[in-house]
Formats: sequence, C-alpha cells, structure tokens
Amino acid sequence: EAQVTQNPRYLITVTGKKLTVTCSQNMNHEYMSWYRQDPGLGLRQIYYSMNVEVTDKGDVPEGYKVSRKEKRNFPLILESPSPNQTSLYFCASRSKLYQPQHFGDGTRLSIL
Amino acid sequence: SQQGEEDPQALSIQEGENATMNCSYKTSINNLQWYRQNSGRGLVHLILIRSNEREKHSGRLRVTLDTSKKSSSLLITASRAADTASYFCATLGFGNEKLTFGTGTRLTIIP
Repeated sequence: EAQVTQNPRYLITVTGKKLTVTCSQNMNHEYMSWYRQDPGLGLRQIYYSMNVEVTDKGDVPEGYKVSRKEKRNFPLILESPSPNQTSLYFCASRSKLYQPQHFGDGTRLSIL
Repeated sequence: SQQGEEDPQALSIQEGENATMNCSYKTSINNLQWYRQNSGRGLVHLILIRSNEREKHSGRLRVTLDTSKKSSSLLITASRAADTASYFCATLGFGNEKLTFGTGTRLTIIP
C-alpha cells in the first residue's frame, strides 16, 4: 500500500530535549515536505526536499533541521525544542513538481 | 504567508444538500488543489485543477477555477455524514515547489 509513515504519532516532551520525527514514503517520490498545522493558521511549510541531499527552507524553518540522505526518508529534527513548537506536524511527498501530495497521518508534539 | 483564503470558515448543512466552498488566492498559479482533512488526521487529496482548466468533476465533487478573479469553488453534491471534515485549497506556482494552503472550511453535515 502506498503510504507516508510518520513516527511517533504523539509525543510529549520537555524544553531543550532533542527529538526527531521520522518520515518514510514507499512510493519512490522525489519531493518531500514538512508542515506544521496550528489553529487559525492552516498548514505552513517548514522545509522541503526536491531529491536526495537537496533541501530548502519553507515559511517557518526556525528551530528545525532536516536531512535527506535516502530518497524514502526525510526526518525532522528539533535540536532544542521550545513550547512554541507545540503543534501538529505533517510529512508529505509527491512524485513530480506539479502533482498532488500524499500526507502522513501526522505527529502531535507537545513541548512543556 | 497564506495564499489561499477559504470562505466560509465554517458551514453546516443538512444531509443530502449541496455544499459550496470558495477559495481566493493572490498570485499566478500552475494549479490549485483541494484536500480534505478528517479531525486530527492527515490531508487527503481530492482534486487538482490546472490553470488552463475551468471546471473539473470527480464523483460528487465539482471544482471550478476562475483565473481572472483568482478564485476557485468546490461543490459537494448530495452531501453525506461522512463528508464532515475540513476542506483546504492549496495553490502551486510555476517553477515553485511550495504548495501554499489556506486556512480551510470546516464542513458539518447534519444527519
């Protein structure tokens, strides 16, 4: 089954404790993105990747890092999480630039 | 910044009625996409309409695009309880990776 898998689905942690949210897709897609979703703000792009070793900033990259060492994986790293990063996070992938995106089920992060 | 703005923000209708949601955007686009999100879940792609298309159908969904007014509408006919969800439009520019989402319309179908 074609899918985008994120882990964990839920995480409660404390300020400053490094964390990684993994994202994996099994569709051999070139493009992958991370979004955060906050009430009243819709989805905002954090980072995106157009292929292996090619990443770029989205609208809200501060406080986040990403890497794309393999085509299928695109982890999101919070080196020193802060409470304002409490949010619902989505990973997405697509095959080509002008194609629709496939979304993961989301990761709900709470930073205390 | 938000490119797409949906209208209304929330909509409640009786089951069986039609639901119409609108989306306005600001800059030139390659295509416009509509997504559905059930509460707290991932977004599911519904339909994509290219800038050179004016109307597109998929099952009970009908999407129109007016590039001169920079607006789109999503019509769901014969609504069902299972259509209860949030609906988002998203725009993609030319040569631009970024898919920009609006803030969504919350649709509630009353049985």
